[in-house]
Amino acid sequence: EVQLVQSGAEVKKPGESLKISCEGSGYIFTNYWIGWVRQMPGKGLEWMGIIYPGDSDTRYSPSFQGQVTISADKSISTAYLQWSSVKASDTAIYYCARHADAARGGDYWGQGTLVTVSS
Amino acid sequence: SYVLTQPPSVSVAPGQTARITCGGNNIGSKSVHWNQQKPGQAPVLVVYGDSDRPSGIPERFSGSNSGNTATLTISRVEAGDEADYYCQVWDTSSDQGVFGGGTKLTVL
Repeated sequence: EVQLVQSGAEVKKPGESLKISCEGSGYIFTNYWIGWVRQMPGKGLEWMGIIYPGDSDTRYSPSFQGQVTISADKSISTAYLQWSSVKASDTAIYYCARHADAARGGDYWGQGTLVTVSS
Repeated sequence: SYVLTQPPSVSVAPGQTARITCGGNNIGSKSVHWNQQKPGQAPVLVVYGDSDRPSGIPERFSGSNSGNTATLTISRVEAGDEADYYCQVWDTSSDQGVFGGGTKLTVL
């Protein structure tokens, strides 16, 4: 069974660093892309970026380029989304999704990670 | 960057047909995917590649795409179909994915 399991909820203060994860199982992790999506409170889905763990090819939305870093460790079938310095405006639910191709829709989604940034 | 436009809301009575549109410049040349998101849940892919359904998605869900408009059609609407629906494409010119703003489907 294909599963994407994300790390638990985080509460951070502005300026702190943060790294959340997405572990894939039930399929060959290096054969599929992993995308990240932001959903701010009460708002729609926003495409952030995508990575191919097989060779670490990564694409970013201009809105998120330089604001976050997407990476993957294929030895443990896990993708990551990280911030060097979070802001209150980073408060959101973050989802990962598996894609057969970068241009395809996400066919399996993680359960989401709630990130709260507050002083 | 590429913009996808969806109506904020669509309402339909049970048993009727719901049509949710997604507008974009020459979207007919792109591959459109549709995601369903119920409150408090992660999104679920219901249509990919304009009109294909993932396994487990009822045949009541179908898609089409031509010109400047893609459409998700839900036949014989049920109360359980009430959700937010998002279209999504890959913009080759900017090498990134794009979501529409989402449409809230209300079953009357």
